[in-house]
Order: sequence, then structure tokens, then C-alpha cells
Amino acid sequence: LAKTTQPISMDSYEGQEVNITCSHNNIATNDYITWYQQFPSQGPRFIIQGYKTKVTNEVASLFIPADRKSSTLSLPRVSLSDTAVYYCLVGAPMDSSYKLIFGSGTRLLVRP
Amino acid sequence: DTGVSQNPRHKITKRGQNVTFRCDPISEHNRLYWYRQTLGQGPEFLTYFQNEAQLEKSRLLSDRFSAERPKGSFSTLEIQRTEQGDSAMYLCASSLGDRADTQYFGPGTRLTVL
Repeated sequence: LAKTTQPISMDSYEGQEVNITCSHNNIATNDYITWYQQFPSQGPRFIIQGYKTKVTNEVASLFIPADRKSSTLSLPRVSLSDTAVYYCLVGAPMDSSYKLIFGSGTRLLVRP
Repeated sequence: DTGVSQNPRHKITKRGQNVTFRCDPISEHNRLYWYRQTLGQGPEFLTYFQNEAQLEKSRLLSDRFSAERPKGSFSTLEIQRTEQGDSAMYLCASSLGDRADTQYFGPGTRLTVL
């Protein structure tokens, strides 16, 4: 599975847009990019998944350039409750051996 | 609430004791995964089931660990002769096994071995 690199931590203020970029230089053709959010003492929560270009849902947007070697999770107008760890993962869901390989994630702190 | 439940939520045990955790996945999900997470780290894959078949086990899963998924529904993870190094959050996730194969996680079971 492709290794990902993302910032260890980020700070923001309420109401701002937050963009977290993830590098995955060795992404394979069948790999998808998936982001999870995790609060302390809870299981990770699926945020968004994409393969190319842009994906948007009610929570976030995911921007993927043409070469797919990086991706950016965009959280619009963050609130204090968005303080969490955000994980970027890549992998091929259709593989029989598919499993999530988590890194250390990005710790986002949203300040009032 | 993702629909994946885990019990117990917390378990404190003494070194050398056996413990068993249970995971109830989302009912129509045929894949079930177990992960372990220690403080400050991301979750690490332990094992996964496709229906009742255990298809892959991580090298992290020593002989003291065993997982089952009878009838392809709920799953149990047992740790025998617990060690202090087993203290962690044990997470269960389930998925449809479809094209996107989104994994939905339960709340986890926090194990403390004294």
C-alpha cells in the first residue's frame, strides 16, 4: 500500500476554511484516497473518498490533481467540534487483501 | 453512531488473564476488520474476515490472539495470557466489500492490563 505523508499538526480558528494536504507519491492505478476523522476515545469516522478530480459531500471536499500524487481535504468554516485527528489513506478497495494502513495523521486544533 | 457496536467498552484485567471482546457489525456487511490503536498512533490492522472466513492476519497477531466470526455475523477477539503491552484500544470495522468498500468503525474496546 502507498505510504502517505501529511502534516503532524495544524491550527485554525472558528469559521475559517482548513485545507490538509496529503502526499502519496507512489499511489497505484487502482488506489483510492480516503480520509477519516478521529476524536479521542472514539473509532475513526469516514469523511470522504475519491479517485480523481474533486469530490464533495455535506462535510468536506477532496481535491485530487491529475497526477494523483497528492490530495487536499478541505473543511469549510470549521468549528470547535472539528478539533480531531485526520487521517489520509490510500489503497485499492477491490483488492481481496484491502485493509486500511493508518499513519500518524494530522492533529487539527480549532481555536475560538 | 455508525451501527457497529463493540462490547465491553472498557476492560481492566490483570496480567496473565484471558479477555474476550465482541464486535457486532452492520448487518448486511460481509467484511469485518480488527485494528489495535495505542496512544498517539494511528490504528494498526490485526485481521479481517470475509463472511466467516478469516482471510488475513497481521504479524502483530501473536499466538495469544485469536479471532472468530461464526456464521459470518458477530466476531470475537480473544487475548490469552494478557501482557501489559496488550494495553490498547481494540477497534472493529465492517464494510460491504463493494467497489468503495468504506469501513465503518465501532467505538472500540479499551483494554488496560495491570
